[in-house]
Amino acid sequence: KAGVTQTPRYLIKTRGQQVTLSCSPISGHRSVSWYQQTPGQGLQFLFEYFSETQRNKGNFPGRFSGRQFSNSRSEMNVSTLELGDSALYLCASSPTRWRGDSYNEQFFGPGTRLTVL
Amino acid sequence: AQSVTQLDSHVSVSEGTPVLLRCNYSSSYSPSLFWYVQHPNKGLQLLLKYTSAATLVKGVNGFEAEFKKSETSFHLTKPSAHMSDAAEYFCVVTLRTGNQFYFGTGTSLTVIP
Repeated sequence: KAGVTQTPRYLIKTRGQQVTLSCSPISGHRSVSWYQQTPGQGLQFLFEYFSETQRNKGNFPGRFSGRQFSNSRSEMNVSTLELGDSALYLCASSPTRWRGDSYNEQFFGPGTRLTVL
Repeated sequence: AQSVTQLDSHVSVSEGTPVLLRCNYSSSYSPSLFWYVQHPNKGLQLLLKYTSAATLVKGVNGFEAEFKKSETSFHLTKPSAHMSDAAEYFCVVTLRTGNQFYFGTGTSLTVIP
């Protein structure tokens, strides 16, 4: 099975622009989560989608948004980019979140490195 | 509230010696616990997972972790470090009542030849 893929792998934008990142989960996985990783804040949860519905959201401003399509592929969008948005954005997928006795592990993609100038 | 604390930001060991990476969690409910590893410029890979079936969990590449409810700990160990183990390690907790993973701040493991 192919792993989680993220495109693009690297991105350079300027302040004020917007950006869209894409994530293709492992085939058959319906849950997709997004994380931001920075040296200062570590790994922070952005949001999770399951069957095209946002099920949970982290503590990020409204400039960060996402969506999931019927084929489980997901996109996240950041509008009005700020310098502090420079980070590695990681996408993770899992078959479902809860399997009856524990949470399923999440499978991570390689990430998209976003640099805001 | 729930959180996870990795007690060491950096750990250095000599090749062939044991590895201990410490993790404590805070949770009001029965947690699911994970250890992930991140090599430079790579995504996160699952090392092992605690599901309540057994308190001692064996993972990949010789790693294991023991869930101790009384100590709210889930420390990661390996009997003998290998150079390829040098990476960043993350302890993760998630709960039955929530849908998100809570990551620790990470422990950077250095293996000295």
